[in-house]
Amino acid sequence: DVKVTQSSRYLVKRTGEKVFLECVQDMDHENMFWYRQDPGLGLRLIYFSYDVKMKEKGDIPEGYSVSREKKERFSLILESASTNQTSMYLCASTKRGLAHTEAFFGQGTRLTVV
Amino acid sequence: KNEVEQSPQNLTAQEGEFITINCSYSVGISALHWLQQHPGGGIVSLFMLSSGKKKHGRLIATINIQEKHSSLHITASHPRDSAVYICAVLPTSGTYKYIFGTGTRLKVLA
Repeated sequence: DVKVTQSSRYLVKRTGEKVFLECVQDMDHENMFWYRQDPGLGLRLIYFSYDVKMKEKGDIPEGYSVSREKKERFSLILESASTNQTSMYLCASTKRGLAHTEAFFGQGTRLTVV
Repeated sequence: KNEVEQSPQNLTAQEGEFITINCSYSVGISALHWLQQHPGGGIVSLFMLSSGKKKHGRLIATINIQEKHSSLHITASHPRDSAVYICAVLPTSGTYKYIFGTGTRLKVLA
C-alpha cells in the first residue's frame, strides 16, 4: 500500500539540463514537502506546499522551483542542474490542521548531476 | 549548534543487544517523530510522540517535554534493524516545517 510515490529512484542528468522530480500521494493530504538529504547535514527543506497552487520557500530554495497544479502531485524543478545539486531528494506529505499528524515519505530519488 | 541533536552518530551492536538512541532539542515542540531510513533511501515513520511513551513490537519511544529529550529503544536487536534513525521535531511556532536531526547510523551484527 504505497502512499507517497516518487517518479524515479535514480537519475543521472547533465549540467544545465532542466530536471523534473515528481511526487504523488494518495492520502488526500494538503501539505507536501520537498527535502534534500546530504551526509552530515540531515534533511533540509527546499519547498513546502500547503494547498493547490500554494507554495512557500524552505531553507534552501535557490536553484529550485516547484509546481502544485493538483492536490495529489507536487513537482520539484531544477531549472538548470548543477553538480552541487547532486543529492538524495525526498518528498513527504502530511494532513493539514492536525498538529499530531504522521508524516509519510517517498522512497527518495538519488540524483547525480555530471 | 543544531536545534535537534542526536547521539550517538554511529552505533554498532551485536544481535540481541538492547539499544538506545537519544534526541535532544532546544525549541518548543508540538510533536516529535522517530523515523527509520534503510539503505536505498525510503523513510518510514516509526513513532509520533507529544508526551509519555509508545511501544510497537521491539521498539519503545519515550519523551520528556520538560527536559526536551527523547529516546528510542530497541530490545533484542536484529540485523534487520540496521538503518539510519532520524529524530524530527515539529516546533510550536505555527508552521508545518519539521526540524531534523542528522541521524544515527545503526549496524547490528549477526
